[in-house]
Amino acid sequence: AQKITQTQPGMFVQEKEAVTLDCTYDTSDQSYGLFWYKQPSSGEMIFLIYQGSYDEQNATEGRYSLNFQKARKSANLVISASQLGDSAMYFCAMREPPEGNTPLVFGKGTRLSVIA
Amino acid sequence: NAGVTQTPKFQVLKTGQSMTLQCAQDMNHEYMSWYRQDPGMGLRLIHYSVGAGITDQGEVPNGYNVSRSTTEDFPLRLLSAAPSQTSVYFCASRGRGSGQETQYFGPGTRLLVL
Repeated sequence: AQKITQTQPGMFVQEKEAVTLDCTYDTSDQSYGLFWYKQPSSGEMIFLIYQGSYDEQNATEGRYSLNFQKARKSANLVISASQLGDSAMYFCAMREPPEGNTPLVFGKGTRLSVIA
Repeated sequence: NAGVTQTPKFQVLKTGQSMTLQCAQDMNHEYMSWYRQDPGMGLRLIHYSVGAGITDQGEVPNGYNVSRSTTEDFPLRLLSAAPSQTSVYFCASRGRGSGQETQYFGPGTRLLVL
């Protein structure tokens, strides 16, 4: 079964608007970590944001925030004030537990296109 | 720090050839992993290591070997290349323990098997 599900293969957003990229996860563990990565057309994987399952507040990093809803098992990425440079693939990933020795498991990604 | 480095950046192989993809990190990270990325499939784990001398299989290990003789290096060997191994390969590393959750990626190796 898929541990990480990203249901939006592609998204469009107008420049300067906010956009939400969906991510749902499947785990029976209480301790886990959720991550978002950005992959621009140049190909590198760029870490954006991390949320631990025990963190009480939603993680934020500049224009990125993670809308963490534990009961719904969702960890959506919110990008505020979209810029043309935000056009990229975005991957959600999980590790159980977050500091453990198991590698990250990734979703299939969402391609975001920002329109001027 | 150079972070995670991978060589080569691009490689073309013929079916049946062997080669080694190199990965090195200078952050003294215990954990290292190899992923492959194919269109529409996200990143799939090939092999990973939790320390020197310790490796384990991931989701798609067939056709690949790894070894971890030092903390810094984690090479991936293709024993007999097949067209199905055409992909982009990423190496990643992270430290051990709380506060070391973030995994850092190398720039990737693009492999074409003819």
